Amino acid sequence: QSVLTQPPSASGTPGQRVTISCSGSSSNIGTNTVNWYQLQLPGAVPKLLIYGNDQRPSGVPDRFSGSKSGTSASLAISGLQSEDEADYFCEAWDDSLNGLCAFGTGTRVSVL
Amino acid sequence: EVQVEQSGAEVKKPGESLKISCKGSGFRFSSYWIGWVRQVPGKGLEWMGIIFPADSDTKYSPSFQGQVTMSVDKSIDTAYLQWSSLKASDTAMYFCARRGGGAFDVWGQGTTVSV
Repeated sequence: QSVLTQPPSASGTPGQRVTISCSGSSSNIGTNTVNWYQLQLPGAVPKLLIYGNDQRPSGVPDRFSGSKSGTSASLAISGLQSEDEADYFCEAWDDSLNGLCAFGTGTRVSVL
Repeated sequence: EVQVEQSGAEVKKPGESLKISCKGSGFRFSSYWIGWVRQVPGKGLEWMGIIFPADSDTKYSPSFQGQVTMSVDKSIDTAYLQWSSLKASDTAMYFCARRGGGAFDVWGQGTTVSV
């Protein structure tokens, strides 16, 4: 059971905006930064989408944005595209896990 | 090109031992933490732990402490994940990844372990 909770699914039509939440606590999101990863297929290699709450690595479209408030974080996908259909995971350091990180439970985004 | 390359798929029997590898190239391997992530079929990502090649400092997630061993040979820029006695529940895809900028920024292609 992960310390970071995400909704199991989210969906939208092409062009819409979809937001995924990641709920944590004071020992993780409340005091540490959040990263987001995308897995486009089962067995695919995870891709870093957002680091440090709201920073995009080079090459990640600006349709993807991250934010954090209190003990929750969010990933927003604006202008949803078919290739955005994937699993998304948040990640944060947790001070109660030997000072290590945990992934969120994951959210599958479907493009209708 | 910055990349990490993992060893190939493994099929083992319960009770057997196994060591899989993760070789870095295109960057100063000893200067980055290298982490291991498990993905059980149909499930999410699990943080296993990380190792710092320069001094082999290793940190295990509580769920994996005592279940696996992480090691590194910095002379050949390679990290390892090993099991002394595999169980059916170890069947999964295992990823290694470089920790850069506070996140896993470079990922290996994954190693499938079937027990």
